[in-house]
Amino acid sequence: QQQVKQSPQSLIVQKGGISIINCAYENTAFDYFPWYQQFPGKGPALLIAIRPDVSEKKEGRFTISFNKSAKQFSLHIMDSQPGDSATYFCAASIENYGGSQGNLIFGKGTKLSVKP
Amino acid sequence: GAGVSQSPSNKVTEKGKDVELRCDPISGHTALYWYRQSLGQGLEFLIYFQGNSAPDKSGLPSDRFSAERTGGSVSTLTIQRTQQEDSAVYLCASSLRVVDGGYTFGSGTRLTVV
Repeated sequence: QQQVKQSPQSLIVQKGGISIINCAYENTAFDYFPWYQQFPGKGPALLIAIRPDVSEKKEGRFTISFNKSAKQFSLHIMDSQPGDSATYFCAASIENYGGSQGNLIFGKGTKLSVKP
Repeated sequence: GAGVSQSPSNKVTEKGKDVELRCDPISGHTALYWYRQSLGQGLEFLIYFQGNSAPDKSGLPSDRFSAERTGGSVSTLTIQRTQQEDSAVYLCASSLRVVDGGYTFGSGTRLTVV
């Protein structure tokens, strides 16, 4: 059973455009929703994260939109640049007692290509 | 260290051999995770260590896979009698608390079973 479903599998965007990647989750106990960025040959790196008490979080050109009732969240990359070309993963987890982080459940990833 | 260190970065082994993959987490991080990433696939959870608690082994795909974490720091993932389907990138991550920024991943060990 796939607990976090991510779409699209691949995405091509022109430089300056908006990239949008969507994720849906099933477990209502999830309370932490990060996005990771992965370049070839490297491990994923945390990009931005959100908790369900807010509907949107923005950091620079990256924005997470969160819809708790629909159990969906999305990543928007504004003014997309060729350097943003990478694979993006959404994820979800349940924060354990004491603030430690439980294991993340990842989506299958979206390969983003930004054309100059 | 400054980041999560994994070794070796690449490993080619013959089918049926045992392999050991090593992970040095960020100093002070209490949680350590192993994930497997197959070509074009997402990250598959394998095992999770949190402090002195018993590890969560629920993601290990078979009894050929095992992991240990010594002294709350370095971890070793062992795959016995390797099969071709074990070929993947094995990623290790560590974390302290969610509010501190979540997971930090290493660059992984690319395992190829021939």
